[in-house]
Amino acid sequence: EPEVTQTPSHQVTQMGQEVILRCVPISNHLYFYWYRQILGQKVEFLVSFYNNEISEKSEIFDDQFSVERPDGSNFTLKIRSTKLEDSAMYFCASRFNDGGYEQYFGPGTRLTVT
Amino acid sequence: AQSVTQLGSHVSVSEGALVLLRCNYSSSVPPYLFWYVQYPNQGLQLLLKYTSAATLVKGINGFEAEFKKSETSFHLTKPSAHMSDAAEYFCAASPFFGSGNTGKLIFGQGTTLQVKP
Repeated sequence: EPEVTQTPSHQVTQMGQEVILRCVPISNHLYFYWYRQILGQKVEFLVSFYNNEISEKSEIFDDQFSVERPDGSNFTLKIRSTKLEDSAMYFCASRFNDGGYEQYFGPGTRLTVT
Repeated sequence: AQSVTQLGSHVSVSEGALVLLRCNYSSSVPPYLFWYVQYPNQGLQLLLKYTSAATLVKGINGFEAEFKKSETSFHLTKPSAHMSDAAEYFCAASPFFGSGNTGKLIFGQGTTLQVKP
């Protein structure tokens, strides 16, 4: 069964460093998303991406964040200068272009900023 | 702004007992609604969804949920709990944004289900 994959599973970085979180969505999906979950808090929407552009972003998704689909398979989230408060689990999700809006989630990348 | 509320951050039931996890949404326009389950160290797995068809929705693993517009609720139930149901459960809504729906999900805070032998 097709699945969304994410790498790495755990990333440790120092404050101020740039990180890139990678996702491979399901191959025929057209909509892509990033969410994050700070420990003990709810899952929060960051950004949605469709047709090679951002379709919606949250207040969290400021200029420090960017997304890219550099080729036909990868979908990346870049944080330019990490802060301690960026420590969280980051989930990638994708969905097909149908009316069900069902999203398939990856296993997540745990980002720890020290 | 759209919000989703899950009553009870922790629910404990005995094996074989009824499972009831509560979810309420706030919106003047009923959104699409979902229940996801998260097992330890895994991603979110869809249990079931409501997309304006039948109000009683059946999902995987014996779970079902009923959409009640008058109560703005979408509670998750299962008649008989199994030990394997122990996990974190998230209710989520996909609201309409402007004239469309980008499909983003707004999550509740999650409910941890404990199943006692």
